[in-house]
Amino acid sequence: GAVVSQHPSWVICKSGTSVKIECRSLDFQATTMFWYRQFPKQSLMLMATSNEGSKATYEQGVEKDKFLINHASLTLSTLTVTSAHPEDSSFYICSARLGRDQPQHFGDGTRLSIL
Amino acid sequence: DAKTTQPPSMDCAEGRAANLPCNHSTISGNEYVYWYRQIHSQGPQYIIHGLKNNETNEMASLIITEDRKSSTLILPHATLRDTAVYYCIVRASGTYKYIFGTGTRLKVLA
Repeated sequence: GAVVSQHPSWVICKSGTSVKIECRSLDFQATTMFWYRQFPKQSLMLMATSNEGSKATYEQGVEKDKFLINHASLTLSTLTVTSAHPEDSSFYICSARLGRDQPQHFGDGTRLSIL
Repeated sequence: DAKTTQPPSMDCAEGRAANLPCNHSTISGNEYVYWYRQIHSQGPQYIIHGLKNNETNEMASLIITEDRKSSTLILPHATLRDTAVYYCIVRASGTYKYIFGTGTRLKVLA
């Protein structure tokens, strides 16, 4: 079945560091990928829609200069958390869809801890 | 935007069928219902989706009411590994975006 790979699985870094998370569709091409954030004991919250070859679309309240998204190819989207601070610590998850009404498939997530 | 409502938690005995309800009364006529589950510290796992007919796959069955305002996910023989949070999702109107509700925390008991 469709597989989405996310890397790294977890990262711990100091405050002020920028962190890049990769999301790859392994056996299909994805013109659209999605980035979510999940805090402990809460549901997933959509951050942005990543569009291949064009700018990402951010949800209300998500800082686009803070969370940089690049979707340079049909199989790779990256999320960079710039100048990360402890409040950015969270579980970040990406997904990709196969086609119009096809389900999204999710990566295994990246646990980000900022000290 | 279409919104879903699910009970916050349910228990089910191991080996019995788990029936997880979802209300999606504002769903539009051409929108699918998607079901996922999330086991702790992992990404959501796709289970099944449907439009108006009942669906079955190797993981579960999906029963959608005739008026499409609600659906039920059925795990026919629940195991301990089915303990997870189950999400019923309808896309935001006119988009491909998933809006996650709070889901149902299913606990399968030995």
